[in-house]
This record gives sequence, C-alpha cells and structure tokens, in this order.
Amino acid sequence: EAAVTQSPRNKVTVTGGNVTLSCRQTNSHNYMYWYRQDTGHGLRLIHYSYGAGNLQIGDVPDGYKATRTTQEDFFLLLELASPSQTSLYFCASSDGRGYEQYFGPGTRLTVL
Amino acid sequence: GDSVTQTEGPVTVSESESLIINCTYSATSIAYPNLFWYVRYPGEGLQLLLKVITAGQKGSSRGFEATYNKETTSFHLQKASVQESDSAVYYCALGGVSNTNKVVFGTGTRLQVLP
Repeated sequence: EAAVTQSPRNKVTVTGGNVTLSCRQTNSHNYMYWYRQDTGHGLRLIHYSYGAGNLQIGDVPDGYKATRTTQEDFFLLLELASPSQTSLYFCASSDGRGYEQYFGPGTRLTVL
Repeated sequence: GDSVTQTEGPVTVSESESLIINCTYSATSIAYPNLFWYVRYPGEGLQLLLKVITAGQKGSSRGFEATYNKETTSFHLQKASVQESDSAVYYCALGGVSNTNKVVFGTGTRLQVLP
C-alpha cells in the first residue's frame, strides 16, 4: 500500500491550459513538498507545506500555485501552463524530523 | 548557498564490477547537515537508500555504502560488486538547510549495469 500517491501519472495539455496535480499521503506526516525534476537540474522545490492551510514558497515557484486542503492532500496548480513547465513532478512527505522524505511515483506533464 | 555536486551520468559498468559515484557538498547554512543517498528505479519515485547524520560515520544498505567526510565535504557512494538490478538514478542530498525541513538534491546520476 503506497503511502504517497499522485494523480494523474501522465498529463498532456496545451499552452495556456489549466492543470491540477494531486498528491495524497497516508503517512500522517505534517510536511508535504512539490518538486520538479529536469535533466541537469536535479529536484527543484516548487512549494511546500507544514500543515493544512499552510503554504511555503520554494525555490522555483513562478507559474505555480499550491494548496494544502487536509493533512493528507496537497495540490499543485498551473493556471496558464507553458512549455517550460513540461517536466516530471514529484510529491513527497516528511515527519519533519531527520529530514527524510517519502516520495510519490511522479507525474509526467507535457505542455504542447 | 547550500549545494550538492555529484558524478555526471550516465555511468555504465558491467555486472560484478565495482562502482563509485562521487558526491561533494557545500553547506553554508548548517554546520552538520544530514546526508542522504536516494535511488529512483524506472517508473517509481525516489526512495531512501541510506543516510548518515554524524560526521565520520558510514551508512550502508543493499551492498552500498557511503562515509560522511566533513574534512573533504564528501559523501561518495560505493559498491564492491554491482548487479543488473542496480540500474537506476542515484541522488545525493543534503538535509536541514537554513534550519528548515528543506532538502537540497544533486542532479542525479544514471547508472546502467550491463549483464
């Protein structure tokens, strides 16, 4: 039983389109994170949260919004998608101690 | 700032050969960061391979090992004899930056093990 799940696993949209990526964790963790993974860049932090209703800005937040509706659910919103947002997106959770993170399987987003 | 530099891939080795993936870090916001190696198999998310939180200590898992060397700011990943199933992307990471729960990841090193 996967503790961090993401949906959809693959998504194709057009420039200017509206996209929501979903993440759910059953680890009872307070912290949740959204990353993007691009060749040559490693994982870059977009947004993170330490609880329902909380949002913290990451290192590459431009063009992204996020919302943490419950302890379990964290959403990433692209309201006007651009080709530069084509990437592999990972969600992760953490209990806030020791910095170890638990990752979902990823969502591959293509913006045409 | 805080950063991680690791071997640029892809790295190709034959089964039963030895492996080393280099990782060096720069930690300006924290004196003793926690250090990690994560692995990502095809179609899956990252999973923790090993972690070390104390300088001078060695971590090991699944035949892989890495030593936290504060003098050389290194955390190289080694394995004496790789298997085809070790083919994956390996990420070195540094935790606790800026006294937050943020983690800085390296760019990842793709390993291909030939049968």
